[in-house]
Order: sequence, then C-alpha cells, then structure tokens
Amino acid sequence: EAGVVQSPRYKIIEKKQPVAFWCNPISGHNTLYWYRQNLGQGPELLIRYENEEAVDDSQLPKDRFSAERLKGVDSTLKIQPAELGDSAVYLCASSLAPPNTQYFGPGTRLTVL
Amino acid sequence: AQSVTQLDSHVSVSEGTPVLLRCNYSSSYSPSLFWYVQHPNKGLQLLLKYTSAATLVKGINGFEAEFKKSETSFHLTKPSAHMSDAAEYFCVVSDQNQGGKLIFGQGTELSVKP
Repeated sequence: EAGVVQSPRYKIIEKKQPVAFWCNPISGHNTLYWYRQNLGQGPELLIRYENEEAVDDSQLPKDRFSAERLKGVDSTLKIQPAELGDSAVYLCASSLAPPNTQYFGPGTRLTVL
Repeated sequence: AQSVTQLDSHVSVSEGTPVLLRCNYSSSYSPSLFWYVQHPNKGLQLLLKYTSAATLVKGINGFEAEFKKSETSFHLTKPSAHMSDAAEYFCVVSDQNQGGKLIFGQGTELSVKP
C-alpha cells in the first residue's frame, strides 16, 4: 500500500515569493493534517481536515498561509508571501477518523533566502 | 493541557548496549502516547503506541515502552542498539479533546557508536 506522498521534497525560494506544497494521503483516509517542523523541534499542527472541511485551523497563520482539500483527497498548502522564518519542513499526515494512527509523508523542506 | 517532555536532547550509546530514551507526560485524563522515529530526510515512522491497554507496549525493531502512571513517564527502551537505530526520536501525546491532535516533544537524537 502506498504511503503519504508529498511534493516537492525540497524547495528554495526568495523571500516574498509564493510557494505551494502538495499532499496525497493514503487511500481511504478521510483525515488529513499539515504540520510544520522547525529545525531542532518537534512538528506542530497547522491544520486538520475531515474530508474537505477544515475542522481545526487555529494554528494556521491566516495572513499568509492558506490550504485547501478539494474533493476530500489531495491537499495543497500555500504560503504567500514567504518570509525568512517560514524555513522549515512541512509534513503531511493522514489517518482514518481520529484518534486512529497518523501516518506521515517524507515532508517538504522549505528554505527561504 | 497535554504536554510531553523529553528529558535528553541527545543520547549516545555503543552498538550492542541498551538504549533508554526518557519521556514524561502531563495529562488531565488517561492519555494516548506514542513514540515516533525520524531518520534523516525521511518521514516520521510510528514505533509504538499506548492506548490504555497493557502498560508494557512492544513496538517495531525491538523497541518497547512502559507506561507508568505514578511517575507520569513513558520511557522507550531497547536491549541492544544497532547502528541503524541512529535517528531522532519523538515522544508524542494525543489530545483527545482536539480531535486527536498530536503534541510532540522536542525530540531526542540517538547516536550509536560502533
């Protein structure tokens, strides 16, 4: 069974540029999560989807971050404009309905110059 | 509020010796606890989880953890370290009041010397 797929794996951009990350969850998993992992720290939840509905986006910086999960499958996380402090690894995870085990993708490492 | 504290940021052991990674948790009710491992440039992989069944939990690759309510601890152990165990390990608690939101510790980097 295929795991959580994320792309790109690495992204380097100049500050103030836009960037987007894509995630394809495990087939049949209706819950999808985006986490941000800063260097030397554990991941922190940005947003959680149940199907196509964002049910917890309290930690998402809404002034520059946006996310969508059209049709309740794939998801895209966008940053516009990017800032230096956004450099991090962005992880996507999926699960059956909580509190089932979350399975993580390999992440996208973003570097903002 | 739920939280976890990993007591060591870095642990170094020799190959073939025991591994102990320490974690304390804080929870207002019976927690769900996990250990995840992260190898360089790889995604997080679940090692094991505790969900109020047996207090001694066995995971993959020979790891196990013991839930001790009296000590609010969930330490990860392995009898004999292998070179491939070198990685970052995260102790995690699930907040059931927030849809199973995972709250991660700061991580412990495990080094294994030949």
